[in-house]
Amino acid sequence: DAGVIQSPRHEVTEMGQEVTLRCKPISGHNSLFWYRQTMMRGLELLIYFNNNVPIDDSGMPEDRFSAKMPNASFSTLKIQPSEPRDSAVYFCASSLAGQGNTGELFFGEGSRLTVL
Amino acid sequence: AQSVTQPDIHITVSEGASLELRCNYSYGATPYLFWYVQSPGQGLQLLLKYFSGDTLVQGIKGFEAEFKRSQSSFNLRKPSVHWSDAAEYFCAVGPYNTDKLIFGTGTRLQVFP
Repeated sequence: DAGVIQSPRHEVTEMGQEVTLRCKPISGHNSLFWYRQTMMRGLELLIYFNNNVPIDDSGMPEDRFSAKMPNASFSTLKIQPSEPRDSAVYFCASSLAGQGNTGELFFGEGSRLTVL
Repeated sequence: AQSVTQPDIHITVSEGASLELRCNYSYGATPYLFWYVQSPGQGLQLLLKYFSGDTLVQGIKGFEAEFKRSQSSFNLRKPSVHWSDAAEYFCAVGPYNTDKLIFGTGTRLQVFP
């Protein structure tokens, strides 16, 4: 079975440019999460969706960040404009939340973003 | 406030030695506790989880963890470490039914032959 698929795996861009990260969750999963991982701050939850609806976006650092989930099989995380401090690895994860299935998040391989 | 503390940033062990990775949590309700492993360049993978019942839980790859409510701890153990266990290990806590997990900062495990 295909796991969580993220693209691009690596992105290098210049400050001020728009960055779009993409995620395809595991088919049948009803929750999707965007995490950011840095050496300084570890793994931070940015936003999560349940049944395509954003439930908690309190981790989104500022208005430059936005996330969408137009359907059950696709989500995007957009940064506009990007800044050097956004450099990190961004993970997407999905799960079949509820009904006793709590806790097993399936992670993609991540998108490593470098903003120059 | 809800939090997870992994006091050891980096641990080095010899192959075949036993391993214990520490995790302490602060959580207002009954905690649901997890250990994840991250190999270099990869996403995280669930090792084991504790919801209720037996406080010693078994996971994949020969790992186990013990929940101790009195110590607010959920330490991960393995009796004999293999070189392939070298990775970063994350403890996490979360509420039932939402999967909104709070992760610790991780412990990097290095294994020497």
